[in-house]
Amino acid sequence: EPEVTQTPSHQVTQMGQEVILRCVPISNHLYFYWYRQILGQKVEFLVSFYNNEISEKSEIFDDQFSVERPDGSNFTLKIRSTKLEDSAMYFCASQTQRSGNTIYFGEGSWLTVV
Amino acid sequence: GQQVMQIPQYQHVQEGEDFTTYCNSSTTLSNIQWYKQRPGGHPVFLIQLVKSGEVKKQKRLTFQFGEAKKNSSLHITATQTTDVGTYFCAASGGYQKVTFGTGTKLQVIP
Repeated sequence: EPEVTQTPSHQVTQMGQEVILRCVPISNHLYFYWYRQILGQKVEFLVSFYNNEISEKSEIFDDQFSVERPDGSNFTLKIRSTKLEDSAMYFCASQTQRSGNTIYFGEGSWLTVV
Repeated sequence: GQQVMQIPQYQHVQEGEDFTTYCNSSTTLSNIQWYKQRPGGHPVFLIQLVKSGEVKKQKRLTFQFGEAKKNSSLHITATQTTDVGTYFCAASGGYQKVTFGTGTKLQVIP
């Protein structure tokens, strides 16, 4: 079974610091996503990425956030100047086509901002 | 924006009892997906429904998409302890953004 892999699995950071969360999507997938889940709450869409650019983003994904696919395999989420309320599980996901196909989620990166 | 609500929020059942979670959208959907998230785990795709009135079965799980394509349900027959987790529906209005429902947390009492 193909896997989306994420690193780190857990990161603790000081408020105001920058964080980069890394993801390696499944190799033949074309659509990439970041989702966030605050503890005990629902999974929230952050951003989708296709053809080396953002295709859609939510209200949560403000100027504090950015995504990049620097080398054709990694897909990163950068959070600048972290806030306490950024503490959450961040899931990367990938998909072969836009619709009609399974979205595969990684195991998540748990971010704690102190 | 699109809102997807699920009820109930929590459900405790005795092992062997049936369980149903309902998903309602404020807008007509192009498709709906169901995911299961075990405690401490990540969402795992279960199924996608596309057609109006569609019913699909996976062993003890039955998924239904409403005729108006605004609601869906997941029914589990004779629950087992392995069914424990949170079940999310996730709706797509036709674009890439998939909006997750609020989730139903299922606890099965042995």
